Amino acid sequence: KAGVTQTPRYLIKTRGQQVTLSCSPISGHRSVSWYQQTPGQGLQFLFEYFSETQRNKGNFPGRFSGRQFSNSRSEMNVSTLELGDSALYLCASSSGLRLAKNIQYFGAGTRLSVL
Amino acid sequence: AQTVTQSQPEMSVQEAETVTLSCTYDTSESDYYLFWYKQPPSRQMILVIRQEAYKQQNATENRFSVNFQKAAKSFSLKISDSQLGDAAMYFCAYRSANGNMLTFGGGTRLMVKP
Repeated sequence: KAGVTQTPRYLIKTRGQQVTLSCSPISGHRSVSWYQQTPGQGLQFLFEYFSETQRNKGNFPGRFSGRQFSNSRSEMNVSTLELGDSALYLCASSSGLRLAKNIQYFGAGTRLSVL
Repeated sequence: AQTVTQSQPEMSVQEAETVTLSCTYDTSESDYYLFWYKQPPSRQMILVIRQEAYKQQNATENRFSVNFQKAAKSFSLKISDSQLGDAAMYFCAYRSANGNMLTFGGGTRLMVKP
């Protein structure tokens, strides 16, 4: 069974640009969550998509957005990039059911550097 | 809001010995789940062990076990017979029973000395 795939692995952008990150969940999983990891703030929840609908959202500005497609693949977009957006962006896939067995499986992340 | 605290930024252990990583959390909920994730240099977060709050029995997975103290809101991870491959960042995480969002602690970097 294939794991969670995130593309690209690395990105370099300049301030003011926008960027789109992609996440393909484990087959059969309907939930995709996104997290931002930085040395200063640690791991922070961005948002969760379940069956193409945003189910939960963290405390990030509106420049951060996402969507989910009918095949459960998800994209995350950051507009008007700032230096502080440099981070590792992790995607987590799960069945999305709120049960004990609902485990989140992570991808290897996309390392975004904003210059 | 829930918070998770890992008070040890770094720990080291001799190969084949035992080490315990600490985690405390704050919540007003009675039903929730707790996790330990490992993040090696490859960056991919790997689930090590999980605990359901309603279960009194501590979870174990091979060389990994937890000491879950619900009243004290403490959830420590014990690694027995440490191996070089255990070297990584370890994150404690909390999930509400009625949500799918993980709240992470700041992490503990574990070094294993040969």
